[in-house]
Amino acid sequence: GIQVEQSPPDLILQEGANSTLRCNFSDSVNNLQWFHQNPWGQLINLFYIPSGTKQNGRLSATTVATERYSLLYISSSQTTDSGVYFCAPRDGTGNQFYFGTGTSLTVIP
Amino acid sequence: DTGVSQNPRHKITKRGQNVTFRCDPISEHNRLYWYRQTLGQGPEFLTYFQNEAQLEKSRLLSDRFSAERPKGSFSTLEIQRTEQGDSAMYLCASSLDGASPLHFGNGTRLTVT
Repeated sequence: GIQVEQSPPDLILQEGANSTLRCNFSDSVNNLQWFHQNPWGQLINLFYIPSGTKQNGRLSATTVATERYSLLYISSSQTTDSGVYFCAPRDGTGNQFYFGTGTSLTVIP
Repeated sequence: DTGVSQNPRHKITKRGQNVTFRCDPISEHNRLYWYRQTLGQGPEFLTYFQNEAQLEKSRLLSDRFSAERPKGSFSTLEIQRTEQGDSAMYLCASSLDGASPLHFGNGTRLTVT
């Protein structure tokens, strides 16, 4: 299966700060999804992004599939951004999404 | 679109008992996935269905685990003779097809005492 490495593992930010989360994966993928797991455990879709850049409000994501990485940008962070961020590349067969151990983000007021 | 629904939200059981979880996917979603998540880890794939057919199973899915999706609608995950190591969050997700994003339910948290 695909190995997924996310960095940094933990991040503490002051409210209003910007951050970049990185996801490296070990093999070619046919798509990739970013999730936010809130403190109640719910996994919320952020982006479904095989390549290129997408933006949604304060968040944007870039995937460079040929170099096997994806980045998630969070600007003007808010306390509600706290939680764990997972990237999940989808393998070439399209049958499985593989998860890393995530980046745990804490935004302090 | 009411989202993916999982029941129960929490289950506490004694070691050796059998438990069954239910997942109702988003209507018209052909694919249904089961994942397991333990503390501090990302979700781990267990199995997935394309309509009613179970097409792939992880090695994590021992013979004590069985999943079904009769008629290609809701799915059940049964664990027989539970062990303390089965304690985890069991997550269900669905997608429209093999080229569409996953949508997760809220999960069922299992505690085996």
